Amino acid sequence: QQPVQSPQAVILREGEDAVINCSSSKALYSVHWYRQKHGEAPVFLMILLKGGEQKGHEKISASFNEKKQQSSLYLTASQLSYSGTYFCGTEIDGGSNYKLTFGKGTLLTVNP
Amino acid sequence: KAGVTQTPRYLIKTRGQQVTLSCSPISGHRSVSWYQQTPGQGLQFLFEYFSETQRNKGNFPGRFSGRQFSNSRSEMNVSTLELGDSALYLCASSWGTWGNTEAFFGQGTRLTVV
Repeated sequence: QQPVQSPQAVILREGEDAVINCSSSKALYSVHWYRQKHGEAPVFLMILLKGGEQKGHEKISASFNEKKQQSSLYLTASQLSYSGTYFCGTEIDGGSNYKLTFGKGTLLTVNP
Repeated sequence: KAGVTQTPRYLIKTRGQQVTLSCSPISGHRSVSWYQQTPGQGLQFLFEYFSETQRNKGNFPGRFSGRQFSNSRSEMNVSTLELGDSALYLCASSWGTWGNTEAFFGQGTRLTVV
């Protein structure tokens, strides 16, 4: 049950905002967000847990709608360094706590 | 603090051969997960180990196997390689379970099967 990410790709100019969405057909326990730059390892951005707890970097904003099994990542006042592929990973509520299923990614390009 | 180390970084193998990839997690981390990354499929879960026990396995054929040692280092093995096994193999370590813990990824091993 791979989560679906949208959009698949987005191009921004520096300073513009973007929203990346992640939706699941299953009830979720947690949603994780990672960013991967070309040729590098994915880097942790944020965890959103059922019940409202969030852990992550201060400059990253995200939401988790448990009823709709959806999460959104908000990138505001984008910088060149935001470029990369963003992945959401989901953990099914009531399922194994040892497995994250990732979406196919959203390629974000920030131009000067 | 050293990050997650994967060796080797690049491998070229012939169809039918087998290969072993290694992952050294961050010191103190007991959970190691493996993922296969391809352009079309994204990150596909292979398996997860915690304290030498496999706790979960993805939908991959039995040719894919792994293990974890007492020092938390992990290896994955792929036997009878196929062209479709060409991919970037990533491992990630965390101190606890995935659900509420961030994971740290290694830079991966790029496997090419010819």
